[in-house]
Amino acid sequence: TQLLEQSPQFLSIQEGENLTVYCNSSSVFSSLQWYRQEPGEGPVLLVTVVTGGEVKKLKRLTFQFGDARKDSSLHITAAQPGDTGLYLCAGTKSNRLAFGKGNQVVVIP
Amino acid sequence: ETGVTQSPTHLIKTRGQQVTLRCSSQSGHNTVSWYQQALGQGPQFIFQYYREEENGRGNFPPRFSGLQFPNYSSELNVNALELDDSALYLCASSWSVPTDTQYFGPGTRLTVL
Repeated sequence: TQLLEQSPQFLSIQEGENLTVYCNSSSVFSSLQWYRQEPGEGPVLLVTVVTGGEVKKLKRLTFQFGDARKDSSLHITAAQPGDTGLYLCAGTKSNRLAFGKGNQVVVIP
Repeated sequence: ETGVTQSPTHLIKTRGQQVTLRCSSQSGHNTVSWYQQALGQGPQFIFQYYREEENGRGNFPPRFSGLQFPNYSSELNVNALELDDSALYLCASSWSVPTDTQYFGPGTRLTVL
């Protein structure tokens, strides 16, 4: 069973549109990371959020950590084909990462 | 500064065989964690090594074992391979424990026939 539930599992949008994906859990995490993974490659760290309510921006990507540190969202503004990939959220518990199944995002040119 | 590297990139084995996967941690990192990622799933934690000692283990059977060397590189060994062991095996390194940030290698794709 996955500690973290990510939704939607699959999302296909046109270039220039905005999108938001979600990562939810019943557990509290000391921190939460977002990764992007390309097929056949390892996950690449995008951001780490630590404080409840924290918002971090990475160019067109906005990450928010829930006030109770149980959930997070990723918003992409004006999506581009280069944003295509599997977005994984991972919560830190006892020095290990617990991953969700990911949000597969496809941006169509 | 070099990133996390893993070898081999791909491997094909048959049921019952044994396999060893290797990982070199990022420069300056003394902690290595291993994850198994089956197709369509998120990575699942196998175990972690900190300064050559096992520092936590996930829900994997004893036929999954590991080592960490004095230079902090690591090996993952899997005995008596089963078809369900087919997956992408990921190694991640980090600076010390407790830590929140782990950096992943490209993975080893293992296929068991």
